[in-house]
Amino acid sequence: QLQLVESGGGVVQPGRSLRLSCAASGFTFSGYAVHWVRQAPGKGLEWVAVISYDGTFRKYADSVKGRFTISRDNSKNTLSLQMNSLRAEDTAVYYCVRDASGFGEVYFDYWGPGTLVTVSS
Amino acid sequence: AIRMTQSPPSFSASTGDRVTISCRASQGIATSLAWYQQTPGKPPQLLIYAASTLQSGVPSRFSGSGSGTDFTLTINRLQSEDFATYYCQQYYNYPRTFGQGTKVEIK
Repeated sequence: QLQLVESGGGVVQPGRSLRLSCAASGFTFSGYAVHWVRQAPGKGLEWVAVISYDGTFRKYADSVKGRFTISRDNSKNTLSLQMNSLRAEDTAVYYCVRDASGFGEVYFDYWGPGTLVTVSS
Repeated sequence: AIRMTQSPPSFSASTGDRVTISCRASQGIATSLAWYQQTPGKPPQLLIYAASTLQSGVPSRFSGSGSGTDFTLTINRLQSEDFATYYCQQYYNYPRTFGQGTKVEIK
């Protein structure tokens, strides 16, 4: 069945980098846009970034622009998020989320279980 | 960015109740609105998209309505598994934005 499984979370010091991955299976990954959405402990949901099915369209939240980079490898059915210059306020569970369209035009229809990133010294 | 405001932030209800959650957008978003349900420790799940279309597999006791700036999620005959936090989200433009959530608790 359709699965999105994140990995790469952990504890990292402020200013350092971390790379998250999301392995997709059970559907044609190359046909869909995918997003990262995060949720700080006890807080609401915050959209982070999107990449279109072919990687030609990418968009970021202002809070991460210039620090985070979203990418995908359709040959490996994998989504990535490179996070640089991490801050305490980046502490959150990061979800890999499928868009119901190829260009990121609509709603989020499937979510991974999430991976926790903790930024702390 | 479009601001999404949900009300109330939380409330208590009993099994069998009919409950309504409101979501207001800071500007018109047509029907580009989705509702998600989240239980503790789990990722959100899509309930409704296009303001009123039920996602496949979601029980018919859930319904959505509205367009423009004002939207409503209704749960008829609340069940024990419905005690959760509900989020609205606009996909009219970027950045995608969510309401702050409405927590439905057991009375």
